Parts: sequence; structure tokens; C-alpha cells
Amino acid sequence: AQSVAQPEDQVNVAEGNPLTVKCTYSVSGNPYLFWYVQYPNRGLQFLLKYITGDNLVKGSYGFEAEFNKSQTSFHLKKPSALVSDSALYFCAVSPYGQNFVFGPGTRLSVLP
Amino acid sequence: GAVVSQHPSWVICKSGTSVKIECRSLDFQATTMFWYRQFPKQSLMLMATSNEGSKATYEQGVEKDKFLINHASLTLSTLTVTSAHPEDSSFYICSARGSREISSGANVLTFGAGSRLTVL
Repeated sequence: AQSVAQPEDQVNVAEGNPLTVKCTYSVSGNPYLFWYVQYPNRGLQFLLKYITGDNLVKGSYGFEAEFNKSQTSFHLKKPSALVSDSALYFCAVSPYGQNFVFGPGTRLSVLP
Repeated sequence: GAVVSQHPSWVICKSGTSVKIECRSLDFQATTMFWYRQFPKQSLMLMATSNEGSKATYEQGVEKDKFLINHASLTLSTLTVTSAHPEDSSFYICSARGSREISSGANVLTFGAGSRLTVL
């Protein structure tokens, strides 16, 4: 069975500091990995994805994520956090591009 | 880019009435649409998957007679919450995926903005 873990419910970081939101996954076969962001009372917005190729993928709003096959991780990172990055972040896996399985979400708070 | 419009954003209804939520793909043909339910501070729970012209496939534990899903065209899917009760109050989100996205390998889900249902 496919699963996604986001070990931290909440991540707090000061504005200007680097941020990391962690994600690990379990899937049979080749994983398609995604990060989505959700602002209050809104749907999810796509940030970035990994399907194949370079392990470091760059996405929207300066975010990037690194696929690590041996650690089955896909952590989301940003070199310098903004207050406007405060939101709920979801990691998702889609085995062979089929149904998506979402992690529980991590709430990011960037403090001014 | 791909846009999915979901309507209404907010709806309040009396217990026992039915509510319809629409999900439209504005600039692409959505061969598959997904309906999710999200409880406060929780992740998305997939309710059902619908393919255009076919009956929806419901996840285990989701009452198909309670949550009616119709995907009559390549740009429109609807979720009707029948005989709504306060426990149905939630945030419902649709997402869509087009055949072009699948064939190109993009495989990105595009989400609607969500609909917050409050049943009194």
C-alpha cells in the first residue's frame, strides 16, 4: 500500500532563514512525487513534482525539493523563507501516475 | 495553465436539504475528476473518482447514495450531498486531470478552490 508521512505537524521558521518541510513515502514501483500548498479556505496549488531525471527539482515561488531514493524522502526546501510562505503544505505520491495519496500536511509558519 | 473552477465557495443549508457543488475545468478536458473531503487541520480524504461518462468509483466508507457524483461532460462534474446533516459539514475540494496531461507525462492534478459546506 502507498503511504506518505510528513513527520512534523508544524514548522516554525524566521523570515529570511532557510526552511525544510519533510516528507517520506512508501510506494511500490516508481513514485511520482508532488508538493502542493494550501492557503486558508482555498484549494491546493501545485508547487513542484518529481517523475524522473535530476533528483533536485525546482518549483514555484523559489521552492525546491530533493528526491532521495535510498531514504525514500522528498523534502521541500527554500533558501530564504517569506512570511507569505505561511500555509499548509502537502506531500503526495502517485504510483506510476495513478491515484494520488496525500500526506497529513505540515503547517508552516514564517515569523517576521 | 489549467484552471478548475469550483462553485459555490461557501454554502449554508438546513438539515435535510440537498446541496450541489459544481467543478468545471475551464481550459482543458478533464477525463478524470476527483472529489475530496477535508476536515479541519487534516489531510484530504479521497471520496470518489469519476471518469467522464462512467459511474463514479467511491472509496471505502463513502456512501454513494449520500454523495452523488455526476461527470456528464469532459468539463463538468457535480457532487450532490443529499439530505445533508450537520456531520456533513466540511470542506469539499475537487481536482481534475486531463488526457493531455497524462500523455505528456505532466500528471499534475489541478484543484478547485474548494467549497465550505455548513449544515445547520
